[in-house]
Amino acid sequence: GNSVTQMEGPVTLSEEAFLTINCTYTATGYPSLFWYVQYPGEGLQLLLKATKADDKGSNKGFEATYRKETTSFHLEKGSVQVSDSAVYFCALMLWDGNEKLTFGTGTRLTIIP
Amino acid sequence: NAGVTQTPKFRVLKTGQSMTLLCAQDMNHEYMYWYRQDPGMGLRLIHYSVGEGTTAKGEVPDGYNVSRLKKQNFLLGLESAAPSQTSVYFCASSYQRTGGHQPQHFGDGTRLSIL
Repeated sequence: GNSVTQMEGPVTLSEEAFLTINCTYTATGYPSLFWYVQYPGEGLQLLLKATKADDKGSNKGFEATYRKETTSFHLEKGSVQVSDSAVYFCALMLWDGNEKLTFGTGTRLTIIP
Repeated sequence: NAGVTQTPKFRVLKTGQSMTLLCAQDMNHEYMYWYRQDPGMGLRLIHYSVGEGTTAKGEVPDGYNVSRLKKQNFLLGLESAAPSQTSVYFCASSYQRTGGHQPQHFGDGTRLSIL
């Protein structure tokens, strides 16, 4: 079956630190990959996506590169801000006409000033 | 622009009671989804719908029923609530697009406690 494994949290960093949240996947086909973010008290929002190998998704200073050879999609940001504190979910989708996402367990990120 | 609206936001039930969670979207989306979010489990798909009048089972459908009588609404029902159904429930919707992913738009969640 399909599954997503992401870095256990919580992760606590100081403002302006470098961020990496690891994500690896197992899929029966060729998936599209996503990072969703959940701010406190809100639903999930799409942060970035990549649909084929070597694609780089980017948004709000965050980046992730689709690595087919290592089945990974690690999230990075060069300098985090307090406003980046949230829960981050890695997810995959295999197109079968139904657009179903498979999510990882989420990584809670806290940035301290 | 309201997006995806879930009601209620909080609810406490006793074991065996029934209730319905309502999801409404104003974006004319074809696809709608119900997830539950539990600590250490991420989001798990309960049921989904690819259009008005259609529903399908997701990963964890047992104990839940759904209906999509109108395109903009997707109802999640618990016929006989159990403590294991204590969770945060999220509704999401997206456009239909063949061969490509459209972002799912999420509501703010319903926190449900079963005593």
